[in-house]
Amino acid sequence: DQQVKQNSPSLSVQEGRISILNCDYTNSMFDYFLWYKKYPAEGPTFLISISSIKDKNEDGRFTVFLNKSAKHLSLHIVPSQPGDSAVYFCAASDLYGQNFVFGPGTRLSVLP
Amino acid sequence: DAGVTQSPTHLIKTRGQHVTLRCSPISGHKSVSWYQQVLGQGPQFIFQYYEKEERGRGNFPDRFSARQFPNYSSELNVNALLLGDSALYLCASTWGLENTEAFFGQGTRLTVV
Repeated sequence: DQQVKQNSPSLSVQEGRISILNCDYTNSMFDYFLWYKKYPAEGPTFLISISSIKDKNEDGRFTVFLNKSAKHLSLHIVPSQPGDSAVYFCAASDLYGQNFVFGPGTRLSVLP
Repeated sequence: DAGVTQSPTHLIKTRGQHVTLRCSPISGHKSVSWYQQVLGQGPQFIFQYYEKEERGRGNFPDRFSARQFPNYSSELNVNALLLGDSALYLCASTWGLENTEAFFGQGTRLTVV
């Protein structure tokens, strides 16, 4: 039973437009969420995080929104660039837990 | 400053063999976690070590074991390899036990034939 779901396996967006990647979770104990980006042959790279006391966190072109009541978070990338093409993983944890639970990933393709 | 380093980068083993994967965390980080990523899935947690003690274990059989050394580097050992153990094995380091952002190595691609 997947505790973290990313229901879109892939997403294509035109360069300069907004990319929206979605993530849903089922475990109400999760209170810390992260997004990672992964290029082929590389390990995941941390992008941005958000704790449950916030509903938005912004870092440059990347913004993460958290809706605790809906158990949903999203990553917005504006404007999207071809270099953003990668697999994006949503991960969740309770802050003092031993591990992250990852979603299956969404492959983002930004078309020039 | 070096990031998380893993060795080897690629490995081919035969069913039934044993494998040891190695990880060096970022300097100053005391916690190392191991993840298995099968193609098409997200990474799955195997172990976390902090200050040389096991602090967490995922749902993996006893064929999987790990340890952490005084310099905080870590080894993941897998015995009696199965074809299904073929995966990318990722090591992540954090400064402490809390799960703030973890930094991942490039992974070891293990192929069992």
